[in-house]
Amino acid sequence: AQTVTQSQPEMSVQEAETVTLSCTYDTSESDYYLFWYKQPPSRQMILVIRQEAYKQQNATENRFSVNFQKAAKSFSLKISDSQLGDAAMYFCAFQGGSEKLVFGKGTKLTVNP
Amino acid sequence: DVKVTQSSRYLVKRTGEKVFLECVQDMDHENMFWYRQDPGLGLRLIYFSYDVKMKEKGDIPEGYSVSREKKERFSLILESASTNQTSMYLCASSEIDSNSYNEQFFGPGTRLTVL
Repeated sequence: AQTVTQSQPEMSVQEAETVTLSCTYDTSESDYYLFWYKQPPSRQMILVIRQEAYKQQNATENRFSVNFQKAAKSFSLKISDSQLGDAAMYFCAFQGGSEKLVFGKGTKLTVNP
Repeated sequence: DVKVTQSSRYLVKRTGEKVFLECVQDMDHENMFWYRQDPGLGLRLIYFSYDVKMKEKGDIPEGYSVSREKKERFSLILESASTNQTSMYLCASSEIDSNSYNEQFFGPGTRLTVL
């Protein structure tokens, strides 16, 4: 069974600085997808960024980028120029050969003004 | 935009009550999911439905059942609520596409308290 590990329960960053959230996963599959979801204090979970395992190029969405290391089974999220609105719970998720997602336990990000 | 709605944001019930949590999506998605979210445990899948009247157990189905009579609606049922079912419940939906990822779209959540 797949597992997703987020080793940082909480992180903090100063506004305008850069922060990296860590995620590792375990799978025997070769073809899969990885996601970072954001859950602001209002509770609506939204997709931040996704990565297809067969793509070597790291995904980027504006200030959000990932560092995908397939051999190391690592999928970290970098947030550049952090903003107060980035404060949220961030969940790393894995999707293999089924419709289901496996989530990590989450990292609470605080952005300090 | 995809919209997933849940019938209540906050719900308070008593031990032993039968509880219904309703979820509706408006994008004709085949897949629907119920998760439970607890601090330090992340999201855990309770049940999953890939079609009307079809369901599959997730990681923690004990104490729960589900119903999907219409494609757009997926209900989570607590037959006899217990205090350890106090939690945040999230519903999600997604399309079926065997050639691509299936982004899940989430509802706002229902905070259930069982007294």
